[in-house]
Amino acid sequence: ETGVTQTPRHLVMGMTNKKSLKCEQHLGHNAMYWYKQSAKKPLELMFVYNFKEQTENNSVPSRFSPECPNSSHLFLHLHTLQPEDSALYLCASSLRTRQNTEAFFGQGTRLTVV
Amino acid sequence: AQTVTQSQPEMSVQEAETVTLSCTYDTSESDYYLFWYKQPPSRQMILVIRQEAYKQQNATENRFSVNFQKAAKSFSLKISDSQLGDAAMYFCAYKEEGGSEKLVFGKGTKLTVNP
Repeated sequence: ETGVTQTPRHLVMGMTNKKSLKCEQHLGHNAMYWYKQSAKKPLELMFVYNFKEQTENNSVPSRFSPECPNSSHLFLHLHTLQPEDSALYLCASSLRTRQNTEAFFGQGTRLTVV
Repeated sequence: AQTVTQSQPEMSVQEAETVTLSCTYDTSESDYYLFWYKQPPSRQMILVIRQEAYKQQNATENRFSVNFQKAAKSFSLKISDSQLGDAAMYFCAYKEEGGSEKLVFGKGTKLTVNP
């Protein structure tokens, strides 16, 4: 266990559904991230939050909507997704100092859009 | 933009033997961090080892060590005395010092350990 917990582990949703992915960390980290992992492709950074403020949006379509209510929780709200959005969605967190630079990852949510 | 290349989609090694996974990267920055992450079938990405670019000494963590060649922009991972539990996807990643917190990943290398 890395201290980063994601729920649910698996999710199947229709293209007209609305669902949310949840990520939680109690490591005292101040930065949180959403990554998308598709088959045969490198992990793609989607969003970065530092101290609850979004600092990076990597040209993600608006059907993905992140929310960071506090530095321990991160959500990814999903609506009107497409089948090509099926992937493993990984959450990560890190402590933003020079000495501590590694990200700790959750186990991911396997999303299937039907 | 920074890129990370892992040229070996798959590698295999006999148990107790040594294997080296390759990684090259492209950046114009002089100060950055490099990482190797392991992703077993459980899907959780686990940090294996990290290297600060300003350090000339290669990082080591027990059976894992790196060969960091800054001029060549190369960052290979050596696994000694391979164990069955080492079987996983291995990802090389780059992070710039300061500025963006973005980790740039390679496509990964699938390592199989044969008994």
